[in-house]
This record gives sequence, structure tokens and C-alpha cells, in this order.
Amino acid sequence: QKEVEQDPGPLSVPEGAIVSLNCTYSNSAFQYFMWYRQYSRKGPELLMYTYSSGNKEDGRFTAQVDKSSKYISLFIRDSQPSDSATYLCAMSPPQAGTALIFGKGTTLSVSS
Amino acid sequence: SQTIHQWPATLVQPVGSPLSLECTVEGTSNPNLYWYRQAAGRGLQLLFYSVGIGQISSEVPQNLSASRPQDRQFILSSKKLLLSDSGFYLCAWSVKGALGDTQYFGPGTRLTVL
Repeated sequence: QKEVEQDPGPLSVPEGAIVSLNCTYSNSAFQYFMWYRQYSRKGPELLMYTYSSGNKEDGRFTAQVDKSSKYISLFIRDSQPSDSATYLCAMSPPQAGTALIFGKGTTLSVSS
Repeated sequence: SQTIHQWPATLVQPVGSPLSLECTVEGTSNPNLYWYRQAAGRGLQLLFYSVGIGQISSEVPQNLSASRPQDRQFILSSKKLLLSDSGFYLCAWSVKGALGDTQYFGPGTRLTVL
């Protein structure tokens, strides 16, 4: 079983739709969870950072962590064409200095 | 604020030629540094990481090597490139000792080996 599983998509939605992106993981030691957004031919940029279970909201973006199910989600409300990108989830064990574990990314396309 | 630079942005090299990619970070001291390769459909592959000058850990066996000659400089090298070395190479940094190890990525170098 891979440590982090992420559906690669592609996911196509119309402008204004609510988008749900998901990752599952197998290592219960993961405590820090991140979402990165990567535009085509660019480096990933940090979008959201969460610790432990619960929700975190930032504008149109909400990150959700369910540690009991080992499942994290990123919700995008009122999606825009500018949200078209690849979204990568990443996780870190509690020890400092440990490399992140990345999902393979989900490609999202928002049409106007 | 912190900034990470990578160069060149794109590179086309023949098989068997050498490689040198450079990454520098500004605005922070003693960061952790990372080299990743991203191939289509394969996600991010961690190649090397460094916790300090001269300290390099390799994650996968390959014909690539890394060096950290200065605190904020990380270099990826190869003596002879293979076709399979083509990909998008990303450098990243993180704050040393920070829990969660949030990483910040550079703009990347797109390498094509012909």
C-alpha cells in the first residue's frame, strides 16, 4: 500500500462549481498536512497548511483533515478558471527534518 | 522575505553530456535543501536533501549527485546524462527544526535529454 494515494484525475468542472480534492494515507503518525497548487510548467506553491483533525478555511479554500479515517480533503468554492492547476497533497511525520510525502497530484480544469 | 532561485529555466542536453543545475535561497539561514524530479504522471520524486554544508543524503540510486558548497547553495550534477534523466527538476527549502517541514519550491528547471 502506498503511503499517500491521490486520484490523478483529470477533473473538469464548470466555473462556479464546488470542487473536492482528496487524499488518503496509511501512516497514522502523519500530523501535518499540506496542499500545494502547481500551475503548468511552474514550481508548486503552498496553498494550505493544517495540523491535526478539523477544518481550516482561507477564502474560497477549505482544508479538512479526518485522522480517524486517514483522509484529507481540499474544497474550492466558486471555482474560477484561474484555479485550473494540479493540486498536490503532502504530509509530514512529527519528527523535524523529515522529508514530506507527496501525493501524485490531481489535475483540475475549470471551464468558463 | 525568502526567495529561491533556480537556473537555467530550461535545458536541452545530448545523452552523455554533463549537467549542472544550481539553486540558491535568499532571506534565510541554514535551511534544509531538497532536490526533486517530477516526471509526467509520476509525481514528485525526492532525489537529495541536505541539512547543512557538505551534508547530502541520497534517496534513490542514480547517476546524479548533489553538493552544497555554501549554506544557501545547492547544486545538482551529472557526469553523463541518460535519456531517463529528462524531467522537471525542482529545488525546495524548509526551515531547519520546524515541525511539519513545510517546503517552499523554486520555479524549476525543465531538462530534456536527447
